[in-house]
Amino acid sequence: SAVISQKPSRDICQRGTSLTIQCQVDSQVTMMFWYRQQPGQSLTLIATANQGSEATYESGFVIDKFPISRPNLTFSTLTVSNMSPEDSSIYLCSVGTDPSGYTFGSGTRLTVV
Amino acid sequence: GESVGLHLPTLSVQEGDNSIINCAYSNSASDYFIWYKQESGKGPQFIIDIRSNMDKRQGQRVTVLLNKTVKHLSLQIAATQPGDSAVYFCAENMGETSGSRLTFGEGTQLTVNP
Repeated sequence: SAVISQKPSRDICQRGTSLTIQCQVDSQVTMMFWYRQQPGQSLTLIATANQGSEATYESGFVIDKFPISRPNLTFSTLTVSNMSPEDSSIYLCSVGTDPSGYTFGSGTRLTVV
Repeated sequence: GESVGLHLPTLSVQEGDNSIINCAYSNSASDYFIWYKQESGKGPQFIIDIRSNMDKRQGQRVTVLLNKTVKHLSLQIAATQPGDSAVYFCAENMGETSGSRLTFGEGTQLTVNP
């Protein structure tokens, strides 16, 4: 299965600032996804990162708040913009190498103060 | 909207016992299901999956059962060990028509007592 490197692993940020999270995969993948996991809760899909086109956002998530880049088949970034304490969560990158393999990165633990 | 949910938020078992974690799903169009294990401070780790054309699949110490009639999924862990303590999530996939996205259930915290 694919190996995912996600950076940073954690950060503490001031409200009103932005943080960009990087996801690097060791092989080319078609499907790449970004999830949010709020404290003590399950995973919620933010968007599907599409290579060569705009990301596809889920209901409740917008591009202005969570801009995503996908410049190639091995890399994507998620930016959390104009942060507030409510954005404190774990953000996870996931890839699907085939219908049987959805692999997750170790996550970015974000605390907004 | 459609959702995937779990019956029990917490489960406590004795080491060596078998564990059963349950999951209910509501979308009859889902054709692929995965169980994940998430340890504290880590991302979800794939345990086992099953397709809708099967009703049982076995792995090492784990078995997943799928009952499409009642839209129910379960994960059985044999001879549970302290290292099995984690949160377990079921996830469903509705195929390419849904963009191959996964929808996650609420999670069950499994605690294994020595």
